Amino acid sequence: AQSVTQPDIHITVSEGASLELRCNYSYGATPYLFWYVQSPGQGLQLLLKYFSGDTLVQGIKGFEAEFKRSQSSFNLRKPSVHWSDAAEYFCAVAPGRNEKLTFGTGTRLTIIP
Amino acid sequence: SAVISQKPSRDICQRGTSLTIQCQVDSQVTMMFWYRQQPGQSLTLIATANQGSEATYESGFVIDKFPISRPNLTFSTLTVSNMSPEDSSIYLCSVDGQGSGYTFGSGTRLTVV
Repeated sequence: AQSVTQPDIHITVSEGASLELRCNYSYGATPYLFWYVQSPGQGLQLLLKYFSGDTLVQGIKGFEAEFKRSQSSFNLRKPSVHWSDAAEYFCAVAPGRNEKLTFGTGTRLTIIP
Repeated sequence: SAVISQKPSRDICQRGTSLTIQCQVDSQVTMMFWYRQQPGQSLTLIATANQGSEATYESGFVIDKFPISRPNLTFSTLTVSNMSPEDSSIYLCSVDGQGSGYTFGSGTRLTVV
């Protein structure tokens, strides 16, 4: 069965600093990979996705993620965070199209001035 | 990408009663997925609803507690039956957005008192 690990439960970053959120997955083949963001009291918004091809994917709000097959990782990065980036971030995987998503436990991002 | 209208957005219910949550998608989709997000937790899949067949439930979830209907390719309901305070959660539906990633409804925040 597939699984997703987000090792950082909570990260605090200064506004303007760079950010990297870690995600590792366990699956026999290359799954479909996603990052979602959930602001307090809000729904889930898709930041970016990886299906195949270029391993560096660009998303919305200035986020990017890099798929590394050898490390089974799909880490999320942003060069300079803004106070509005404070939220919960979830990494998720699916074996293929129209298959169930498995979510990591999430990383809560706090931004300090 | 698909747009999902989910309702109600929130409800406060008495224990022992039932609540039905509705999701309407603006396009025809094969699969619809129902998730639960307990307070401070990640998302857990309850079941997968395929039009024309019975829903497939994940381990720990049973049809008697979470009956699902899928009458056509754009609509599904999830009922939370005989509720207890432990059912207080956010419930979300999701569909595969056909290349644009999985889209989620805005969620139903359920409080059982």
